Amino acid sequence: GENVEQHPSTLSVQEGDSAVIKCTYSDSASNYFPWYKQELGKRPQLIIDIRSNVGEKKDQRIAVTLNKTAKHFSLHITETQPEDSAVYFCAASITGTASKLTFGTGTRLQVTL
Amino acid sequence: GAGVSQTPSNKVTEKGKYVELRCDPISGHTALYWYRQSLGQGPEFLIYFQGTGAADDSGLPNDRFFAVRPEGSVSTLKIQRTERGDSAVYLCASSFGGAGELFFGEGSRLTVL
Repeated sequence: GENVEQHPSTLSVQEGDSAVIKCTYSDSASNYFPWYKQELGKRPQLIIDIRSNVGEKKDQRIAVTLNKTAKHFSLHITETQPEDSAVYFCAASITGTASKLTFGTGTRLQVTL
Repeated sequence: GAGVSQTPSNKVTEKGKYVELRCDPISGHTALYWYRQSLGQGPEFLIYFQGTGAADDSGLPNDRFFAVRPEGSVSTLKIQRTERGDSAVYLCASSFGGAGELFFGEGSRLTVL
């Protein structure tokens, strides 16, 4: 089955700096890659996603890049703010949808003042 | 409803007992998912319903776990003969069709003593 690895496990940045979280996946058939943000004790929430026919997608301060050849994808957050502090999870699916996601182990992002 | 609702929010039980966890999806969402999240890990897929039927139950760890969705709305996850290793947060999510964005509930935290 699919295996998703995520790095780093923790990341601390100063407010205003950029943060990058990287994931690799094992199944070359994977074609849908969402990112979720989970604040402490809260539900995971989708922040951005990308499909395998696209190399990059951007939404305001958040962007995701996908390299199908290398089987890795990354989340980029620019101009970080304290409210960006949370655990971020990457995920992958071979169905092209969110119907069966394999999640990474998460990255705890801390944005300091 | 406004969001995915899960009850109970917390459940403490003894090893060997039977547990039921309930999920009330967003009204009109035909797809419903159960995930399990252990401490410090990403959510792990358990089962996916499309309407009343289980479209994919490949994530259920063993035959002690069972889920139903008899009327295509509310779902119940049932765990028999609970073990300490079943302790986790059980997350439910729903989507409009199998291709829509997942909306997670706040989860049911199960602790097996």
